[in-house]
Amino acid sequence: NAGVMQNPRHLVRRRGQEARLRCSPMKGHSHVYWYRQLPEEGLKFMVYLQKENIIDESGMPKERFSAEFPKEGPSILRIQQVVRGDSAAYFCASSPDQGLRRYEQYFGPGTRLTVT
Amino acid sequence: AQSVTQLDSQVPVFEEAPVELRCNYSSSVSVYLFWYVQYPNQGLQLLLKYLSGSTLVESINGFEAEFNKSQTSFHLRKPSVHISDTAEYFCAVRSSSGGYNKLIFGAGTRLAVHP
Repeated sequence: NAGVMQNPRHLVRRRGQEARLRCSPMKGHSHVYWYRQLPEEGLKFMVYLQKENIIDESGMPKERFSAEFPKEGPSILRIQQVVRGDSAAYFCASSPDQGLRRYEQYFGPGTRLTVT
Repeated sequence: AQSVTQLDSQVPVFEEAPVELRCNYSSSVSVYLFWYVQYPNQGLQLLLKYLSGSTLVESINGFEAEFNKSQTSFHLRKPSVHISDTAEYFCAVRSSSGGYNKLIFGAGTRLAVHP
């Protein structure tokens, strides 16, 4: 049973370009969370999605950031017109639909974004 | 609102010595508590969790944590550490109401085990 998949693992973008980060949840999981980890800091919640719905985006910056989780395919975190301050590790997590384990979140390996 | 405080950013310790990583939280509602471990350049792995029942929870690799509601703490302990325990450890909380909720993380504690 494959874990949470994220790609790419490393992404380099120049200021002003777009960054697109992908996350495939574990099989059977329909709940996806995105977190950002700045250097020397803990993870900060960004957004929680279910299939085709954004449930909680209270941690998303108001501009340039968007997320989706379509009916088919991976969840996408998109950052438009990147700036140096967007450089961070972005982690995706998923949780199952039922049972006690629905309180647990399983994390992917992360995408490390570097903006030059 | 919920918050998590990990009191030590770094903890150096010698191999086979005991260790305690401290975690305190604040919340106006009941919470679930978690410890995650992150090895260099990897994602987070769930180490152990407290949802309900016994306040002492254990992991398969010798770590344990105790939920103390009166002190709002969830400290992580291991009686004898190994070099392979060197990693960053994150304490996290989430509301126990509702089925799906975001995790609130502490800033992390870097455990460095020396020979």
